[in-house]
Amino acid sequence: DAGVIQSPRHEVTEMGQEVTLRCKPISGHDYLFWYRQTMMRGLELLIYFNNNVPIDDSGMPEDRFSAKMPNASFSTLKIQPSEPRDSAVYFCASSLSGEQFFGPGTRLTVL
Amino acid sequence: SQQGEEDPQALSIQEGENATMNCSYKTSINNLQWYRQNSGRGLVHLILIRSNEREKHSGRLRVTLDTSKKSSSLLITASRAADTASYFCATDIGWGAQKLVFGQGTRLTINP
Repeated sequence: DAGVIQSPRHEVTEMGQEVTLRCKPISGHDYLFWYRQTMMRGLELLIYFNNNVPIDDSGMPEDRFSAKMPNASFSTLKIQPSEPRDSAVYFCASSLSGEQFFGPGTRLTVL
Repeated sequence: SQQGEEDPQALSIQEGENATMNCSYKTSINNLQWYRQNSGRGLVHLILIRSNEREKHSGRLRVTLDTSKKSSSLLITASRAADTASYFCATDIGWGAQKLVFGQGTRLTINP
């Protein structure tokens, strides 16, 4: 298996623009997680899905953030409009039985 | 506040020495996991220890769990330069949620 795939790996955008991050989990995994990592706040769980259904979105910072999982092999995290404070590395992870497998991350820079 | 907090925040040792990192948490857990993150990369799962286990080994890694003290330790024996990374503990509070709460991590540097 190729592992968790994220795209793009790097994204530079201007404040106010819409940003869409993509994730393909490991086939067969029924949990998918979105995290954000910054130096100041560490690794934060934003939202997670079980069998494509959002279970807990309490970590989503505000209404500018939204996430979808239309099927078992694809998820998106959207920020609209983006702000400089959204600059961070965003990780997607998937799991089946407790151990989480992380993707390489998307480094987002909002100017 | 963080569920898991690692100590120390940074550790620098010579190659060949043992490295010990500690993690404390606040609430009851289902299991505790340790992850490694190399600079600029995603996290990699190292080991999972369940709440009814006290010690677990995997290669050069040894993890202990003391639920009465709400603490865990990760020992890396005979360290190598390739062990240089950040190490995170993560607690699974259970209820079938599989939701992990990560600590801030320990930055480990192995000097050749």
